[in-house]
Parts: sequence; structure tokens; C-alpha cells
Amino acid sequence: QKEVEQNSGPLSVPEGAIASLNCTYSDRGSQSFFWYRQYSGKSPELIMSIYSNGDKEDGRFTAQLNKASQYVSLLIRDSQPSDSATYLCAVKSGANNLFFGTGTRLTVIP
Amino acid sequence: NAGVMQNPRHLVRRRGQEARLRCSPMKGHSHVYWYRQLPEEGLKFMVYLQKENIIDESGMPKERFSAEFPKEGPSILRIQQVVRGDSAAYFCASSPLAGGDTQYFGPGTRLTVL
Repeated sequence: QKEVEQNSGPLSVPEGAIASLNCTYSDRGSQSFFWYRQYSGKSPELIMSIYSNGDKEDGRFTAQLNKASQYVSLLIRDSQPSDSATYLCAVKSGANNLFFGTGTRLTVIP
Repeated sequence: NAGVMQNPRHLVRRRGQEARLRCSPMKGHSHVYWYRQLPEEGLKFMVYLQKENIIDESGMPKERFSAEFPKEGPSILRIQQVVRGDSAAYFCASSPLAGGDTQYFGPGTRLTVL
């Protein structure tokens, strides 16, 4: 059973702070890693993808991947109230589909 | 460029009725994935289809659920004889490439079974 684990939160950070979201996965053969943002009652929106070890930056978002530790994280710098959402970690590991964690609910406090 | 489209957005059915959920992928995408999201749970893969072919249905319940993606028209997820436990959000995603590396999600259909 391939598993993707996330801390469900809620994670609360003040506006302007760095939010750190973490995810671990069980399948060492996993190849591709994604972060989706999901606002309440809405569909998941792809915000980051990462394929190799290290950091990948896109605006205020940085994804970090460590395959040896089977760990992927998302950092959100200068957090804004509009970043308040559930963040879903997804992993693709040779199959045709993505395996999702249950998500971490982030609240950015103005 | 229109995104993934799903309809209806909300669907109410009584126990024992049939539910039909439709998904039109993004233009140029020929790979469709269906996911189910139960309240307070993550998305669970159900089925992966290409035009006229079911590629992977390992996440589909063995009974009452079926999916198709005909040569013409949208992909259909069909649930026969719905039960209360089928109440969930059903999301469709599409991808331009085989294997589903980058998937774009539709707005979902929220099914409520009374």
C-alpha cells in the first residue's frame, strides 16, 4: 500500500511569516512530487512540482525534496491571508495515478 | 483555453438511483483520471482512461461503479444503485501525456445521496 502522510494541522502562522508544510511517502520508487492547494469547497490547484533532490523555487513557494529520507516539503514565504487553504501533497510512483495525502490545513492570521 | 469541465456541479440522488457524472478534459488532453474525496479525507484515485480505453481501474469499487471515455463526448463516471456512503466530491483531472505526470483538476461534482 503506497502511503503519503501529512500532518493534518491546522497550522496557523501570522501574516508575513514562513509557513512550512511537510510530507513523507512510503514508496522509494516514487519519481514525481506535487503540491496542490485546495480552498474549501473548491478543486485542487497545482502550485508546485519537483522531480529531483534539492530545492525548487517559484515566487514565494519553495519545494524541497529528499529522496533518501522520503520527504518532501513546501515553504511559503511572506504568507498572506489568501494562502489560507488546505495543501495536498501528491506522489507519483510508477503507476498511472497520483497518491494524495490527506492535506494540511493552513491558516494565515492577519 | 477552457479548463477541465465537469457537470453537474451538484447532484442529489435518493438511495437506489443512478448517478452520472460527466467530465470534459482540457483541449488537447486525451488522458482522464477520476478521483473521489470523502469529507475530511484526501483524494483517492478511482480510474484512468484514454479515449475508448480503460487503462487502470485499480481504485474503482468492484460493484456499481463504471467509467467510460468514448471517442466522441465527455468521460462518464456512472454509479448505479447509489448508497449514502457514495456521498462525496468526485473530481476529474486531465493530462496531456500518458502516465499522468501533471494533472489539472476540474471543479468537481458534489454528490449527495439522501
